[in-house]
Amino acid sequence: GAVVSQHPSRVICKSGTSVKIECRSLDFQATTMFWYRQFPKQSLMLMATSNEGSKATYEQGVEKDKFLINHASLTLSTLTVTSAHPEDSSFYICSVLRGRYSNQPQHFGDGTRLSIL
Amino acid sequence: SQQGEEDPQALSIQEGENATMNCSYKTSINNLQWYRQNSGRGLVHLILIRSNEREKHSGRLRVTLDTSKKSSSLLITASRAADTASYFCATDAGETSGSRLTFGEGTQLTVNP
Repeated sequence: GAVVSQHPSRVICKSGTSVKIECRSLDFQATTMFWYRQFPKQSLMLMATSNEGSKATYEQGVEKDKFLINHASLTLSTLTVTSAHPEDSSFYICSVLRGRYSNQPQHFGDGTRLSIL
Repeated sequence: SQQGEEDPQALSIQEGENATMNCSYKTSINNLQWYRQNSGRGLVHLILIRSNEREKHSGRLRVTLDTSKKSSSLLITASRAADTASYFCATDAGETSGSRLTFGEGTQLTVNP
């Protein structure tokens, strides 16, 4: 069964709207989750690392005020795209890391297709 | 910027044939992982190979790692139409990097029935 649940799977909304995407770890507690962005026929670009109980760590070039991340519990991280514009249209994917140590694969959600009109 | 480069970018083969995809990277790694992505979906983990390992098998999958050349290959044997997907390598530099993954550009594999 699914280890990670990501909702919604698709969002279509008007420019200026804020959109919240949820990522839930179903099988284990996750202190660390990751948010990625993927453009058509391209690879995944890491946007930020979401840490439970602390501020997210953003990658260079990612606007923290634009992409708000909240990791308030060990099973839920949310990504809010604030005042979304057409250029924010993309495929957003979260992943969950089991435990704190490396040499573990990440478990990915099914992604959210965001389309801003 | 993406550390990983994969080739080929696209590969089309017939069912039953083997498919080989290559990945190169630039910095030191703790492990290298291969993932599969069906169109419009999330990623599915295939194999993780640690930096001190040279080869790993899982079913029809065989992964090699050459840290001296900073390269890895994924071999899918006896391919099936259901293997059609994008395949990505991802490098993990370890805890000092926060276990963040850096993905390659991916190989789009098409297996024709």
